Amino acid sequence: KNEVEQSPQNLTAQEGEFITINCSYSVGISALHWLQQHPGGGIVSLFMLSSGKKKHGRLIATINIQEKHSSLHITASHPRDSAVYICAVLTGANSKLTFGKGITLSVRP
Amino acid sequence: NAGVMQNPRHLVRRRGQEARLRCSPMKGHSHVYWYRQLPEEGLKFMVYLQKENIIDESGMPKERFSAEFPKEGPSILRIQQVVRGDSAAYFCASSSEADTQYFGPGTRLTVL
Repeated sequence: KNEVEQSPQNLTAQEGEFITINCSYSVGISALHWLQQHPGGGIVSLFMLSSGKKKHGRLIATINIQEKHSSLHITASHPRDSAVYICAVLTGANSKLTFGKGITLSVRP
Repeated sequence: NAGVMQNPRHLVRRRGQEARLRCSPMKGHSHVYWYRQLPEEGLKFMVYLQKENIIDESGMPKERFSAEFPKEGPSILRIQQVVRGDSAAYFCASSSEADTQYFGPGTRLTVL
């Protein structure tokens, strides 16, 4: 079993829909990152959180430390949100990131 | 404040050659991380460095791979005698202390 599991694996949505991407982890962490990667592109760090909730524009990230679960929500989705969304957890004293496999999101116009 | 810079963005090598990948962290960042993304696979940690020190290299292959982060200049990931299986995207990230890691654009290595 992977230390970081993401669901669903692939996701297709219609423009304007509210989208939720989930991440579960099985290890103790100091923080969790949500990352975005466009095809063939670089990686953008969307959020780093260790508790509660963060919001940036149309993106909201939440984390429940007790349940070892985080969600990334996208409100009013747009085709430009189409990308791979990766959950990564920060573990250990050496700030090492362990990554989920990523969710491929396609938003149709 | 420029972001994390990596060069080259694309690198083609023949089997047996050496590949040198460079990473310049964000200004003020003294922590550098290297990650590898193999085709159709997720990102994997390779090595964590601070200035002049390797802190954690538990993700580095035992042979042919080395990394450094000298007092002056960029961090270098060096792959000797490359093989086709080394073809991947190599990402560098930097941070200040235990803070958000900012990723570079990656170097896409192709081994012919």
